[in-house]
Amino acid sequence: AQKVTQAQTEISVVEKEDVTLDCVYETRDTTYYLFWYKQPPSGELVFLIRRNSFDEQNEISGRYSWNFQKSTSSFNFTITASQVVDSAVYFCALSAYTGGFKTIFGAGTRLFVKA
Amino acid sequence: GAGVSQSPSNKVTEKGKDVELRCDPISGHTALYWYRQSLGQGLEFLIYFQGNSAPDKSGLPSDRFSAERTGGSVSTLTIQRTQQEDSAVYLCASSQVIEGQKTQYFGPGTRLLVL
Repeated sequence: AQKVTQAQTEISVVEKEDVTLDCVYETRDTTYYLFWYKQPPSGELVFLIRRNSFDEQNEISGRYSWNFQKSTSSFNFTITASQVVDSAVYFCALSAYTGGFKTIFGAGTRLFVKA
Repeated sequence: GAGVSQSPSNKVTEKGKDVELRCDPISGHTALYWYRQSLGQGLEFLIYFQGNSAPDKSGLPSDRFSAERTGGSVSTLTIQRTQQEDSAVYLCASSQVIEGQKTQYFGPGTRLLVL
């Protein structure tokens, strides 16, 4: 079975703090993809990043960075120097070969960044 | 348009009535997904269309729910005899398969309220 767990339901930080959102996934496939999406208060889901299972290189994009570790089945997302505009719900998702790459979403982590 | 569009943006209906929700995917995207998101909850997969293959209907919650995709493009999600528990945001997403990678791009959603 495939599963995505985002254990943190809500996180609250003060602006300029760093924050890490955890994502743990389960799959028996060797070929799979991991995603992060952002859902701001406006409601529309925004794609942030896609990683494939064969590439464990960490990625940095501005204040965002992602740490993919197959050994712990984790794909954590860190926001450095958080800003109020980062306040949103963040979803981690898994798409695996078994099941035709149907995407499974985690329950989401709601991030509050206070000024 | 450049993105996924959905209509209507909001729909209020009475219990027992049928509703149709429409999704226009990004041109050229072969895959189309419907999800449901209840207030404050994560994404619940409903149905997935990929090209000319039979749709994956495994997420449809009951036989009151159905969806079709005409001509490989526009999709309609139909809910018959609506119930109050059907109230949610219905999200549509489309993706283009490139070497097995599927990044989904989401529409703004249809907010359905069943009175």
